[in-house]
Formats: sequence, structure tokens, C-alpha cells
Amino acid sequence: DQQVKQNSPSLSVQEGRISILNCDYTNSMFDYFLWYKKYPAEGPTFLISISSIKDKNEDGRFTVFLNKSAKHLSLHIVPSQPGDSAVYFCAASGAYNTDKLIFGTGTRLQVFP
Amino acid sequence: DTAVSQTPKYLVTQMGNDKSIKCEQNLGHDTMYWYKQDSKKFLKIMFSYNNKELIINETVPNRFSPKSPDKAHLNLHINSLELGDSAVYFCASRNSRGRSSYNSPLHFGNGTRLTVT
Repeated sequence: DQQVKQNSPSLSVQEGRISILNCDYTNSMFDYFLWYKKYPAEGPTFLISISSIKDKNEDGRFTVFLNKSAKHLSLHIVPSQPGDSAVYFCAASGAYNTDKLIFGTGTRLQVFP
Repeated sequence: DTAVSQTPKYLVTQMGNDKSIKCEQNLGHDTMYWYKQDSKKFLKIMFSYNNKELIINETVPNRFSPKSPDKAHLNLHINSLELGDSAVYFCASRNSRGRSSYNSPLHFGNGTRLTVT
């Protein structure tokens, strides 16, 4: 049972345009959500997070939106840059089990010139 | 460099062998983890240790035995390797206690690609 789902395995976006990566979850006990970015042959690196008391968190070009009623979050990258090309993982945890992070399967983003 | 470092980066071995993967973090974190990324790209938690104490064991076969000599190290020993153990294993750490722990993200090592033939 995959509690965190990223249904798009890949996304291709032109440089300068917006990239939107989506993530759905099934466990209503999740209340903290994170996005990680992963380059080949490297470990995932933390990008941005959001707690369930918010519906939006912004950090520079990266914004995460949370829709709790739909159990859906998205990551917006504006403007997209070639260096953003990587695999993006969505992850979630519950308030009482922050040690256990549940990851999605990732979306490979390619930003082309 | 402050980081989570794991060795080796690649490990190729035959079925039935015993192997170890080492992990060290110099970030001063109190909790360390092992994650496994399988061929379907699922990244799943295996173990977590807080200050050398086992916190999470996610129904991993007992052929896998983590060892934490101190809170900066968490090694993974695997006995009697099987073909299905082939995967990328990631070590990670974070602070999971204290006022800022709720928002403390995981810091990952660069992974160890294990191939069992």
C-alpha cells in the first residue's frame, strides 16, 4: 500500500516556464510534507517543506501548495532552470512519528533550453 | 566538509556472502537511518537509531543487522546475501529531539549500490 503517490514518473518543461510536480497521499494522519531533490549518483537533498496548518510555503523559486481536503500537494518551480533537472521525491510523516518518513516514487523533471 | 558519508559507493558480491556498509555523519545529529531504494525506485525506511538505540525496525529480515558504535556512526551488516537484496542503500541523519526537531529534515549520504550476483 503506497501511502504517498507521485503518478507522473516524468515531466519535461522548457527553461523559464513553470514546472508543477504533483503528489497525492492517502493517510489522513500525515501532517508534515517535504520535497527532496535527487541528482544521479547522489543522495536526496531537502528542498522545501510544509506543515498541515499551512496551505502554502514559498522559498525563492520554489513553492509548495497543500490541499488537505484533497490530500494533494504540489511543488511549483518558477522559473525553471536546466539545473533543476533531477528526480523530485515527495515525502510525508505524522505528528507522532516524525522519525518515519514515507516517500513517493519520484518524478523525473527535465528542463530543456 | 559536514556531511553524511557512506562507504563503499559500489558493492558487487555473490549470493551467500556477508557484507557491510559503513556510515558516518559529522552533523552532530542524534538520529541515524538506513533507507533502501529498490528497482521500482521506492525509497523505504529500514532502521532508525537514536543515540545508539534502535527506534524503528521496519520488518526487515534479520539477515540485516545495524550496528551503532556511537551516535555518529550507523553501519549495516548483511548476512547470506540474496539476489533480492540488490538495491541502493542510503544512510541518513537528522535531529529528532528538541524544539526544532519537528522541522528537521533528513540529510542523506550518496548511497551504496549493492549488486548481488
